[in-house]
Amino acid sequence: EAGVVQSPRYKIIEKKQPVAFWCNPISGHNTLYWYRQNLGQGPELLIRYENEEAVDDSQLPKDRFSAERLKGVDSTLKIQPAELGDSAVYLCASSPPETETQYFGPGTRLLVL
Amino acid sequence: DAKTTQPTSMDCAEGRAANLPCNHSTISGNEYVYWYRQIHSQGPQYIIHGLKNNETNEMASLIITEDRKSSTLILPHATLRDTAVYYCIVRVSSNTGKLIFGQGTTLQVKP
Repeated sequence: EAGVVQSPRYKIIEKKQPVAFWCNPISGHNTLYWYRQNLGQGPELLIRYENEEAVDDSQLPKDRFSAERLKGVDSTLKIQPAELGDSAVYLCASSPPETETQYFGPGTRLLVL
Repeated sequence: DAKTTQPTSMDCAEGRAANLPCNHSTISGNEYVYWYRQIHSQGPQYIIHGLKNNETNEMASLIITEDRKSSTLILPHATLRDTAVYYCIVRVSSNTGKLIFGQGTTLQVKP
């Protein structure tokens, strides 16, 4: 079974530029999560989707971050414009119905210069 | 969700059992104990979870004290590939879905 797929794996951009991350969850998983992990810290939830609905986006900085999950499968997380403090690993996870075990992708490592 | 306390780091000899402790003294009756680990440059990986009873799977065993205020994750025969950060998380089994990660324990398995 294929795991959670994320791309790109690495991204280097200059501040004030836009950036987007893509996530393809495990087939059949209706819940999708985006986490941000700063260096030396544990991951922190940014947004959670149930199918195509964002049910928890309380930690998403909405002035510059946006996310979408059209058709309830793939998801995109965007930052515009990026700031130096956005440098982190962005992790996508998914979980199937009736269970709360989350399966994580390898993450996208973002460096903002 | 209850807060957890874990040692910052631990060492273990290859082939020996690794016992990773976690304190969760404020755990509520409906909160589960979850363990995830994160190997360098990878996403977190689910290991095991439990509510009251001890649990075992192909990866590890989870021992929860009777008062549920602490637990221990046991890797019975640690290998070099078990070197990772181990996170103990307590959370309500509900539709919130949020995992609140602490600092975790960095386990170094040595040859």
